[in-house]
Amino acid sequence: DTAVSQTPKYLVTQMGNDKSIKCEQNLGHDTMYWYKQDSKKFLKIMFSYNNKELIINETVPNRFSPKSPDKAHLNLHINSLELGDSAVYFCASSQVVVRTGGPHYGYTFGSGTRLTVV
Amino acid sequence: QKEVEQDPGPLSVPEGAIVSLNCTYSNSAFQYFMWYRQYSRKGPELLMYTYSSGNKEDGRFTAQVDKSSKYISLFIRDSQPSDSATYLCAMRPGGNEKLTFGTGTRLTIIP
Repeated sequence: DTAVSQTPKYLVTQMGNDKSIKCEQNLGHDTMYWYKQDSKKFLKIMFSYNNKELIINETVPNRFSPKSPDKAHLNLHINSLELGDSAVYFCASSQVVVRTGGPHYGYTFGSGTRLTVV
Repeated sequence: QKEVEQDPGPLSVPEGAIVSLNCTYSNSAFQYFMWYRQYSRKGPELLMYTYSSGNKEDGRFTAQVDKSSKYISLFIRDSQPSDSATYLCAMRPGGNEKLTFGTGTRLTIIP
């Protein structure tokens, strides 16, 4: 059973196209995220949704638009794709786990969508 | 300057060696510290989690946090070829779910 699943795994597309990536989690988590990992493996948050409400929106071009139809799904639509958008996009979800020493937001990542813009 | 600095490596060590991975950070608000392991073509998976300063041990892995020096470490004892992966440190302030990651260290354990 895949906890956080993303589709597609690979996406090759031409500059200027519009594309979507879908994410679903079956963990019952309240919060979902999109992260971008560049060629140097640097992971940077893009968006975060909690119960369908946008709570984090980092400095991301407005060509990127997330949508959360329900708390188990978070999709990412990208308009007018550019060469610099080529990266691996990870979806993640989290839930608070109460532990000794403070709450911990247990993150689970999907396997990633490798986007190549040509 | 990035908020979290991590030596990208690559780092190659023989099987059985002790591995030391490190991160430094500049934001004194960080209170929760994590280490993630990422295999090639996979998503990061949580390896260790530590709150505030101190040590935490889990099997062959030990995480250390020194908040006074803004320095965290991950030690791997008796390293195995299956430990070959990219290791990412991550941290966040209390009460805020946004994780800030280091750039990752690529580790190879040579049989």
